[in-house]
Amino acid sequence: NAGVTQTPKFRVLKTGQSMTLLCAQDMNHEYMYWYRQDPGMGLRLIHYSVGEGTTAKGEVPDGYNVSRLKKQNFLLGLESAAPSQTSVYFCASSYRQGADGYTFGSGTRLTVV
Amino acid sequence: QQPVQSPQAVILREGEDAVINCSSSKALYSVHWYRQKHGEAPVFLMILLKGGEQKGHEKISASFNEKKQQSSLYLTASQLSYSGTYFCGTTGPGTSYGKLTFGQGTILTVHP
Repeated sequence: NAGVTQTPKFRVLKTGQSMTLLCAQDMNHEYMYWYRQDPGMGLRLIHYSVGEGTTAKGEVPDGYNVSRLKKQNFLLGLESAAPSQTSVYFCASSYRQGADGYTFGSGTRLTVV
Repeated sequence: QQPVQSPQAVILREGEDAVINCSSSKALYSVHWYRQKHGEAPVFLMILLKGGEQKGHEKISASFNEKKQQSSLYLTASQLSYSGTYFCGTTGPGTSYGKLTFGQGTILTVHP
């Protein structure tokens, strides 16, 4: 029972490069989320999805794009990385709307130089 | 708007108790509590829905005062394993799809 799996775990990018973070869950959850975590700021929502084929913006969406072509996968893309995107990225999923806890992935530590 | 947690940090000795508070300027539908150990993912502790209920999880319990828009997490007879950063996450009435807004976190350190 893997839960939520994120890849890669670590990545260093140069400014302007692009990359995709993959989140996969095997719990048949409808809802999936991408958060970023910065020191002293808690977790901030980037984008989220309420089901296969749907995506929506969260609190800090600029510079990111997402796709959810399959129910179990939620991809986060950075088209042109900036140093301000240096952060730890967490994917999470939940079964019901607002009434279930989130299951988080182990995180991706991204550094943009 | 981000809920506000207090205190920002707590240092305890094993066996001592602690209370972590979470306050919002907006009406709340639910409050979640998570614990995150250094370098790891946040782990779900409990959820409280509007209605002022109190929940327990071993020696960790929480209350939710909907009218005051506040929640408190109670840790009793603390253990070394309780060390970590505690986050509350809130949803408001009419907030879609369970989107949580997290507080800035409270760092709890338990010493032997």
